[in-house]
Amino acid sequence: KQEVTQIPAALSVPEGENLVLNCSFTDSAIYNLQWFRQDPGKGLTSLLLIQSSQREQTSGRLNASLDKSSGRSTLYIAASQPGDSATYLCAVKPRAGTASKLTFGTGTRLQVTL
Amino acid sequence: GAVVSQHPSWVICKSGTSVKIECRSLDFQATTMFWYRQFPKQSLMLMATSNEGSKATYEQGVEKDKFLINHASLTLSTLTVTSAHPEDSSFYICSAFGQLDNQPQHFGDGTRLSIL
Repeated sequence: KQEVTQIPAALSVPEGENLVLNCSFTDSAIYNLQWFRQDPGKGLTSLLLIQSSQREQTSGRLNASLDKSSGRSTLYIAASQPGDSATYLCAVKPRAGTASKLTFGTGTRLQVTL
Repeated sequence: GAVVSQHPSWVICKSGTSVKIECRSLDFQATTMFWYRQFPKQSLMLMATSNEGSKATYEQGVEKDKFLINHASLTLSTLTVTSAHPEDSSFYICSAFGQLDNQPQHFGDGTRLSIL
């Protein structure tokens, strides 16, 4: 059974710092990995999607990497801003197909202070 | 803009009431939708997979008679919490993949259900 863990569970950084969020998964046989952001009381917003054949994806100040063989992914946030404060979730998709169920990580709660 | 719309966003009702939550895919057809439940400060727990034109598939431990799912069209799935009780109070979120397999999964904004 796939297990996805995120470290740290919570993180507080001052504005402007670069930071790294970690995601590890026990079964390396994945189809893709997705990073999400969740604001309090809201649904999830997709940030980046990395296919199993890819090593990294970038969107603005965000960069996600994937090392499938070691079961790890990282989300790098550059020049953090207070608006980045949210919970970040990673999720792995085990196989192709629109009915394939995601397994979610435990989440990292990020607070960026002024 | 949102590609998955969920309604209502907040419901408060008395114990014993049945509550229906709607999930719509906006710019695409979704043969499969997912319903999740989330407790405070916890990750998402998959409740069931909603399949257009057929019965939903429920995860272990989820009461299918309590949480009725209907997916009558390619753009609409509904979750009905029947005879709701305070322990059913939670945050419910629906989601769907886009039509292409390599697209991300999109989520609705969630429904906060409070049973008095």
